[in-house]
Amino acid sequence: SQQGEEDPQALSIQEGENATMNCSYKTSINNLQWYRQNSGRGLVHLILIRSNEREKHSGRLRVTLDTSKKSSSLLITASRAADTASYFCASFRTSGSRLTFGEGTQLTVNP
Amino acid sequence: GAGVSQSPSNKVTEKGKDVELRCDPISGHTALYWYRQSLGQGLEFLIYFQGNSAPDKSGLPSDRFSAERTGGSVSTLTIQRTQQEDSAVYLCASSLDISGPQHFGDGTRLSIL
Repeated sequence: SQQGEEDPQALSIQEGENATMNCSYKTSINNLQWYRQNSGRGLVHLILIRSNEREKHSGRLRVTLDTSKKSSSLLITASRAADTASYFCASFRTSGSRLTFGEGTQLTVNP
Repeated sequence: GAGVSQSPSNKVTEKGKDVELRCDPISGHTALYWYRQSLGQGLEFLIYFQGNSAPDKSGLPSDRFSAERTGGSVSTLTIQRTQQEDSAVYLCASSLDISGPQHFGDGTRLSIL
């Protein structure tokens, strides 16, 4: 079963606005990863945050991790039309052997 | 090549035929994964390989599905006696270690008529 659950399922914003997507998981993890998928393409790894980290930045991306709430968020600042894609979180459980992906958030950035 | 390569990119076949999907992982990546994705949906895990062995086959939907990996490199996913519900995009990914970032191919879009 999928451990990660993202919300919202879909998000539509205007260019220049910030986009926030959330991910919840059920069991303790070693790390949590965020991926992006453009239509008709494979997933692309964006950022990995370890269980002992609380926040990580990469360009316009900011990821937070709250292990007490078993949740993570991905913030995209100053969004662009090219950010339109599906975004997935994936968690690696402490006792696990593989990543478990969530159902994804479809982000649409309107020009 | 530099990335994960999958072939064919598209496959249309008649119900009941067998199909074979191929994945060339990034050189040196010991872990290889197969997923299935229906339109607008998330990823459904099928199987993963560590080297040539498959520690977790739990996601294979039925005994019509099988996969192998040879030489710690190329993997093939075979679907026998295809059914219409097998229509989906089949994605392959590889990684240096099982907890690290996965690198995906662009998938094989399979359509069963």
